[in-house]
Amino acid sequence: NAGVTQTPKFQVLKTGQSMTLQCAQDMNHNSMYWYRQDPGMGLRLIYYSASEGTTDKGEVPNGYNVSRLNKREFSLRLESAAPSQTSVYFCASHLAGGPNEQFFGPGTRLTVL
Amino acid sequence: GDSVTQMEGPVTLSEEAFLTINCTYTATGYPSLFWYVQYPGEGLQLLLKATKADDKGSNKGFEATYRKETTSFHLEKGSVQVSDSAVYFCALSSPPSNTGKLIFGQGTTLQVKP
Repeated sequence: NAGVTQTPKFQVLKTGQSMTLQCAQDMNHNSMYWYRQDPGMGLRLIYYSASEGTTDKGEVPNGYNVSRLNKREFSLRLESAAPSQTSVYFCASHLAGGPNEQFFGPGTRLTVL
Repeated sequence: GDSVTQMEGPVTLSEEAFLTINCTYTATGYPSLFWYVQYPGEGLQLLLKATKADDKGSNKGFEATYRKETTSFHLEKGSVQVSDSAVYFCALSSPPSNTGKLIFGQGTTLQVKP
């Protein structure tokens, strides 16, 4: 089992460019999440998907869109990247039904110039 | 809204020293509490958790006790090793939590020197 995988690992964009961050999990988890990690601010939730076919905004959704393609995959799209979106992005998944742990991917380091 | 506050870092200790990282929370209801660890260049992984008052979570020599009266979940280890150098995050999940949403503290960097 690979757990939670993310692609790419690193990306550099110019302001205004678009890109999609990919995430997949092979644990048959119901819920999936996208976070961003910035120095001194911990992890902040961008969007989440409680189950296949549903998505909801988190704490910092502006400038992002998501797609829950199927139970395994949850992608994050930046339509017009801004320097303020320079961050490390983590995808996570969770087996619904209680205080179970979230499993995290290795992260994508994104720089927007 | 719910929130988690951790002590400021970085925390620098010598090997075999005693570690405490403070964590306090604000939540309505009765949250579950977690400590996650992030090693350099990696994603977060669960270190320990506690789901009700007075529960003690423990793993790899780390411990934390859910204290409802002080709304705290401090992380402790009796003797740290260089390999414990990492960023530690305290987090909570408030009911109803079938989505598993977590609220994280800002993280505390621990550096252990030989």
